[in-house]
Amino acid sequence: DAKTTQPNSMESNEEEPVHLPCNHSTISGTDYIHWYRQLPSQGPEYVIHGLTSNVNNRMASLAIAEDRKSSTLILHRATLRDAAVYYCILRPAGGAITGTASKLTFGTGTRLQVTL
Amino acid sequence: DGGITQSPKYLFRKEGQNVTLSCEQNLNHDAMYWYRQDPGQGLRLIYYSQIVNDFQKGDIAEGYSVSREKKESFPLTVTSAQKNPTAFYLCASYEGWGTEAFFGQGTRLTVV
Repeated sequence: DAKTTQPNSMESNEEEPVHLPCNHSTISGTDYIHWYRQLPSQGPEYVIHGLTSNVNNRMASLAIAEDRKSSTLILHRATLRDAAVYYCILRPAGGAITGTASKLTFGTGTRLQVTL
Repeated sequence: DGGITQSPKYLFRKEGQNVTLSCEQNLNHDAMYWYRQDPGQGLRLIYYSQIVNDFQKGDIAEGYSVSREKKESFPLTVTSAQKNPTAFYLCASYEGWGTEAFFGQGTRLTVV
């Protein structure tokens, strides 16, 4: 499985932008980059995903390096409700899901602390 | 709204007892998954099912059992054979390789 590397923790002040990095140097050409976040005592929730181009949605932006070996999740204005563990994972594209290759490989992620 | 519902949110079990965790989805997904999360750790796959009446072991299936009699439901039984069952259990469903995965709110199981 292609792996991702994230910092263990980051801090941000409320109302400021946050850039959460992820390295995935062994990414294959057909891997999507997904981001999820997990609030305390809850299940992970989808944030955003992309393949090659930068992506924006109502929650965040995803900036993908040209060589696709790294990506950055951008929260434009952090709030206290954004305090969570953020996970960067890779998921292959194309075809039907088969076997254990379909499992989601969540590492330990980045714990984001947001302060007033 | 479509989603996944896990129940109960908290569960206490005495040693030696089996307990069943519920997972229901109304997303019309064929594939459903059970993960276990220990404090400060990532997710580990217990069992998965890609179609009704079929399921496969994941990485840590020992001491667990599942059934998939209906598309909407994928219950997980934690048996007395599971040596360290205290954990946070997450059910998920997703379709297609690059699509969004949906998770339930989790069940926190504590063995007392």
